[in-house]
Amino acid sequence: DTGVSQNPRHKITKRGQNVTFRCDPISEHNRLYWYRQTLGQGPEFLTYFQNEAQLEKSRLLSDRFSAERPKGSFSTLEIQRTEQGDSAMYLCASSTTGGDSPLHFGNGTRLTVT
Amino acid sequence: DQQVKQNSPSLSVQEGRISILNCDYTNSMFDYFLWYKKYPAEGPTFLISISSIKDKNEDGRFTVFLNKSAKHLSLHIVPSQPGDSAVYFCAAIFNAGGTSYGKLTFGQGTILTVHP
Repeated sequence: DTGVSQNPRHKITKRGQNVTFRCDPISEHNRLYWYRQTLGQGPEFLTYFQNEAQLEKSRLLSDRFSAERPKGSFSTLEIQRTEQGDSAMYLCASSTTGGDSPLHFGNGTRLTVT
Repeated sequence: DQQVKQNSPSLSVQEGRISILNCDYTNSMFDYFLWYKKYPAEGPTFLISISSIKDKNEDGRFTVFLNKSAKHLSLHIVPSQPGDSAVYFCAAIFNAGGTSYGKLTFGQGTILTVHP
């Protein structure tokens, strides 16, 4: 199965520390997305890449957040100086071109900031 | 501003009966709608979708109905099976004739429990 892979699955960190998550999309998918899901809510859009270009960032993505997709393949999401409010499930998804192409999600990285 | 709302946090049905999950939206620009299913400790999985030019789309046991005038859609599962127990998310997008990308707006989800 060559689905979307996310690592790590769980991350516990102390407030103020930096964390980095990795996402490996489905290989033939040129679009990659990051979403965040908090308890009792649906996923919320964070950012979108078309190949290596980051084409949109949500206002939810503060200056402490940065995402990269350097070669148009895997992507990383870094959170600097973590806060307790950053605790959430971070979901990566990928798709082919086309607005009606369904997103394929990974199993997420659960971040807990203590 | 919750543009996509699923007002029922949970739904419980008996195996073999129909499950009906509801979703309302406020943004009239949305023209493509999707349902995702999520099991614990897994990411959401695409289930079925519908374009605003249609009012019904069917795939096996799953049917999605769209009422544009009411800005309402529903997912029917017939017959319901215990393996259908999961969280169901409604999502919407402004597809712009296929030129958009996957910036989905999700509802809060409905927990479906199907009892044997």
